[in-house]
Order: sequence, then structure tokens, then C-alpha cells
Amino acid sequence: GAVVSQHPSRVICKSGTSVKIECRSLDFQATTMFWYRQFPKQSLMLMATSNEGSKATYEQGVEKDKFLINHASLTLSTLTVTSAHPEDSSFYICSANTAGEGLNNYGYTFGSGTRLTVV
Amino acid sequence: RKEVEQDPGPFNVPEGATVAFNCTYSNSASQSFFWYRQDCRKEPKLLMSVYSSGNEDGRFTAQLNRASQYISLLIRDSKLSDSATYLCVVNRGPGGSYIPTFGRGTSLIVHP
Repeated sequence: GAVVSQHPSRVICKSGTSVKIECRSLDFQATTMFWYRQFPKQSLMLMATSNEGSKATYEQGVEKDKFLINHASLTLSTLTVTSAHPEDSSFYICSANTAGEGLNNYGYTFGSGTRLTVV
Repeated sequence: RKEVEQDPGPFNVPEGATVAFNCTYSNSASQSFFWYRQDCRKEPKLLMSVYSSGNEDGRFTAQLNRASQYISLLIRDSKLSDSATYLCVVNRGPGGSYIPTFGRGTSLIVHP
């Protein structure tokens, strides 16, 4: 089945530094990837939709200059948390529609998530 | 009103019990619906899609009621391994922008 590989799985960084998270689709082409953030006991909150070859679409309230998204190829999307602060500590997870854009009754495949801790 | 709302949890049931979760959505143009399962500190995994006619997969049955804008998940003969958080996912639509929106999740605890 479709696999999305996400790295790193866990990262601890100092406040003020930047962290890059990668998501790769291993056996399919992902024209669209979704980036989510999940705080403890909360639902996944969509941060942005990443489209290959074009600018990402950010959800209301998400700072695009802080959360940089790059989707330069059909198999790789990256999220960079710039100048991270303790309040950015969260579980970040990507997902891809395995049929590309459009209706997909097979749902979405998720990366394994990245647990970011900013100290 | 939130886009996707789920039953408050947790549901604490004995093994063998039947349990049902509901999920309501606000966007009447939503096109596709799913139930995901998320274990603690793990990524969500697709449990099943929800079709208009309703669908069943073993002990799991999903229903969609477009008129009332809700979907349901029924779990029969609960197992200890069913303990997890169940997320309702609704795709915004139409127009090609099938962006999934997640409910908060309902926690299920199955005890011996």
C-alpha cells in the first residue's frame, strides 16, 4: 500500500532555532500533501495544504513566514518551523491523498509524525 | 459550530459490548467521509470509508445520513485491542478542494 515516510520522528531543539520536517511518498506521487499539528488530547488541526510546484495554501491563523512549506517534487514535501519557541512544541504530521487530487474513497495516508519539543 | 463534531468521550465498555459513535458535520456540500483510528502518540490510520449506502467491515459498520448530516460507526463484540481514539474525517467539497477536516476524536476504552 501507499507509504508516507516522515522524518525525524522526534526532535528537541533550542528556542530560536529552525527545524525541518520531511515527508516523502515512497511508492506513489503526491501532488498534494497536508500538514497538521496536534496538541495533547486535541484533534489534528490542518495547518496548510502543500501543492507540488506551487505555493502552499495556509489555514487561517497559521503564519506562513513561520511555517515554511516546500513541495518541490512529487514525492517530497518539507515543513520548516522557523525560530521555534516552546509554544510550537507539538506533534506535526503530514498526509497525502493517494489518488492525487480529487475524490478518493480510499482516504489519506499519514506519515508517522514528528514530535517537536522546543526548550 | 465546528465543522466536524463528535460524541464526547471517553466510552468505557466491557469486552463483547456493542458501542456506537456519532459525528456531525456542518458543510452540506461535503463529499466523502471516513473513520480513522489513532492510537496514543501514533499517526491516524484509516479504519474505513463511509459510503452513502452504508458499509460493513467485519465487526465495524459505518452509516451516512446526508439529510441530518451525520455519520456513525458501530463496533460489535468489542475487543481490548479496539481501545483507541476514533476520528471522524469529512472532506470539504465540492469544487475539487477535497481537504480533510478531522473531528476531535472519541476515546474508546474496552476493559476485561
